[in-house]
Amino acid sequence: GESVGLHLPTLSVQEGDNSIINCAYSNSASDYFIWYKQESGKGPQFIIDIRSNMDKRQGQRVTVLLNKTVKHLSLQIAATQPGDSAVYFCAENQRSNDYKLSFGAGTTVTVRA
Amino acid sequence: DGGITQSPKYLFRKEGQNVTLSCEQNLNHDAMYWYRQDPGQGLRLIYYSQIVNDFQKGDIAEGYSVSREKKESFPLTVTSAQKNPTAFYLCASSPRGTEANQPQHFGDGTRLSIL
Repeated sequence: GESVGLHLPTLSVQEGDNSIINCAYSNSASDYFIWYKQESGKGPQFIIDIRSNMDKRQGQRVTVLLNKTVKHLSLQIAATQPGDSAVYFCAENQRSNDYKLSFGAGTTVTVRA
Repeated sequence: DGGITQSPKYLFRKEGQNVTLSCEQNLNHDAMYWYRQDPGQGLRLIYYSQIVNDFQKGDIAEGYSVSREKKESFPLTVTSAQKNPTAFYLCASSPRGTEANQPQHFGDGTRLSIL
């Protein structure tokens, strides 16, 4: 079936290092992708999005890469800070699927001081 | 501040009881959504509404009901037919997608537990 998934459930990173969080998707019809950050006890917070006509998009300290050939999405966080510790979700959306989001299971990022 | 307000933050339900979770947004968004999140899992769509007085079932609608009488409000009722209601419930909203997709914005959730 169609699914969005993450390669690793946990990621431990040293403060100041760069983080890379990966996501694989299986639906080639997906045309919009979002990364969310969720802190404990809170709702997901939008980080960055990318449309399928792009392969890279940059924000503040974050970069999202999209490889449609292998159906892979990644989130890079530069100079990881303690406040970056959270669960990160990728989500995909299809205009043909009534704009419903499909979420992966999430990657827990822990920043070591 | 514009945003999505969910209440209450914590809710307890007795066996056989219906409970209603509130979701209000002042973002002037057309579309609203309800998700369920279980520990260590992603979000699963319960119901969504793209416009007032209209809503559709998501992937796990059984045991739940919704209404959309006002643009800013999308309450979710967890009925006694939902046998495993303990979860974290998240409400989201977005501008209605037309030419291009838009991200969904989330509230801070309601945690429902069974007594």
